[in-house]
Amino acid sequence: DTEVTQTPKHLVMGMTNKKSLKCEQHMGHRAMYWYKQKAKKPPELMFVYSYEKLSINESVPSRFSPECPNSSLLNLHLHALQPEDSALYLCASSQDSSNSPLHFGNGTRLTVT
Amino acid sequence: GENVEQHPSTLSVQEGDSAVIKCTYSDSASNYFPWYKQELGKGPQLIIDIRSNVGEKKDQRIAVTLNKTAKHFSLHITETQPEDSAVYFCAASTDYGQNFVFGPGTRLSVLP
Repeated sequence: DTEVTQTPKHLVMGMTNKKSLKCEQHMGHRAMYWYKQKAKKPPELMFVYSYEKLSINESVPSRFSPECPNSSLLNLHLHALQPEDSALYLCASSQDSSNSPLHFGNGTRLTVT
Repeated sequence: GENVEQHPSTLSVQEGDSAVIKCTYSDSASNYFPWYKQELGKGPQLIIDIRSNVGEKKDQRIAVTLNKTAKHFSLHITETQPEDSAVYFCAASTDYGQNFVFGPGTRLSVLP
């Protein structure tokens, strides 16, 4: 089992819905990440939080809104998504913002109808 | 920016044989190279990593080699087992920023 926990495992939402993805880690890591992964593709970076501050936003549309309430939690708020946003959303954490290994959760499989 | 290529895209081996996956990178400033294994329905899991001050690292049946001059690194799996079947991603990153660039992945199938 992974030490990064993501909920829910699966989510189906309509284009007018608002939903949130949640991620939690208790390894004392100070950097947390959101990645998007489409089928048969590598993970693509969306956001990086370092010491609870947003440090990287890879030009992600504003319908995705990240939040880092504390060093153990990371949320991704979703609003007015499009069908092409359907993907596996992966959360990861690392010890700090330098070259330390990423620890991934098992993801939330999102389907937008 | 960094570009990571990975070959082959698919690889089938007989159980007990060795498997080798190769990656090349473009940014000479890259100095950390992890390998991830992703099984169906799961997130990527780190299996081994190497930093630029080391040429080779081994962990039981898995080894990684790095050639900084040629800018390529390889994953070697010996005595493959069916549970090694998965998608493997290489990645590269630098000291500045925190953005791992992943290769496109290799789907490894170990046939019993």
